[in-house]
Amino acid sequence: GQNIDQPTEMTATEGAIVQINCTYQTSGFNGLFWYQQHAGEAPTFLSYNVLDGLEEKGRFSSFLSRSKGYSYLLLKELQMKDSASYLCAVRDSNYQLIWGAGTKLIIKP
Amino acid sequence: SQTIHQWPATLVQPVGSPLSLECTVEGTSNPNLYWYRQAAGRGLQLLFYSVGIGQISSEVPQNLSASRPQDRQFILSSKKLLLSDSGFYLCAWSSTAPSGANVLTFGAGSRLTVL
Repeated sequence: GQNIDQPTEMTATEGAIVQINCTYQTSGFNGLFWYQQHAGEAPTFLSYNVLDGLEEKGRFSSFLSRSKGYSYLLLKELQMKDSASYLCAVRDSNYQLIWGAGTKLIIKP
Repeated sequence: SQTIHQWPATLVQPVGSPLSLECTVEGTSNPNLYWYRQAAGRGLQLLFYSVGIGQISSEVPQNLSASRPQDRQFILSSKKLLLSDSGFYLCAWSSTAPSGANVLTFGAGSRLTVL
């Protein structure tokens, strides 16, 4: 079966750095996505990785290793508004998105 | 620019009543359209997707149905709601370009409570 694993919940301090991991086992691979979802709201797109390596976008970076079936989302200089759930999703060989359950990130002052 | 509208935002319905959620996309043509459901603590579950008018693919057998009467309109329906239909329903669209990320963009969501 297809599976996406990410931690259920993480806590970090304002101003710090946090890394949210995602491991996947899917039938083929056609890209990995990270989305941010604030409570009660819709997910919004953060990043897309299709090749190995690091993609940086401001305070957020996303890393991919296809051989290890692994990705992480790195958030720097954490702000209170970064408190949200972070969803990892992988597009499989049929171009269907397989979603993880999300990681709830709690930022403390 | 493209925008996606989804309504109603919140609804409370009795068991056995009908349901209609509507989604429209502006600023693009021939988009791929999707209906997802999100249960607490679980990943997004794809319910239906559509690649064109009248073309609907169902991913999960249940008492829900979807229709695409116009290019940029996607409707989620039920004739008789069950308690288990409660959840957060999300409409989304993506480009049909043959390459690239084809990122999913979501509507604001509809929170359904069935009592």
